[in-house]
Amino acid sequence: LAKTTQPISMDSYEGQEVNITCSHNNIATNDYITWYQQFPSQGPRFIIQGYKTKVTNEVASLFIPADRKSSTLSLPRVSLSDTAVYYCLVGALGTDKLIFGTGTRLQVFP
Amino acid sequence: KAGVTQTPRYLIKTRGQQVTLSCSPISGHRSVSWYQQTPGQGLQFLFEYFSETQRNKGNFPGRFSGRQFSNSRSEMNVSTLELGDSALYLCASRNPGGPLETQYFGPGTRLLVL
Repeated sequence: LAKTTQPISMDSYEGQEVNITCSHNNIATNDYITWYQQFPSQGPRFIIQGYKTKVTNEVASLFIPADRKSSTLSLPRVSLSDTAVYYCLVGALGTDKLIFGTGTRLQVFP
Repeated sequence: KAGVTQTPRYLIKTRGQQVTLSCSPISGHRSVSWYQQTPGQGLQFLFEYFSETQRNKGNFPGRFSGRQFSNSRSEMNVSTLELGDSALYLCASRNPGGPLETQYFGPGTRLLVL
């Protein structure tokens, strides 16, 4: 099973770009990489998902190198409301091989 | 469209008791998964139900069980509660094979075992 590690915490200021990396050295061929955002007392909320190269949506970008052993979530121009815990999930939905990262607590300052 | 709902939101039990948690998925979603979230172990996959059948199971003891009803609502049961079962229990629903293969989480049930 892919073991996933993330930085425990990161600090940023409003308007800056934040990049959070997740390491998953043992990722399997059919595993996808998904990122979630979680606020206190709420369930995780889907941000973005990818398999390889780059994926972009209206809130974030996801960069996955060719070896897929890591992934980087990029949040452009963060705001105070982006203060949350961010988790990467490695695995394929519909299987029991779902591994969440340890989570990165992002604190955004004014 | 209403999101995933979980009841109750908070629960206090004592060791040795059993507990049943409920999850109502997003309308039309046929798969429900359960997760346990603790400060020490993080988010861990418990099991997934689809069409009233358990499809996948994580690495948890048999005290943790679940079921799914014909309307896709799901319940999770934990028997003989231990202190270490104190956690936030999350359920997530999805519609397998949809255009965006992701799952949507409910707010969770926070269980405290004394």
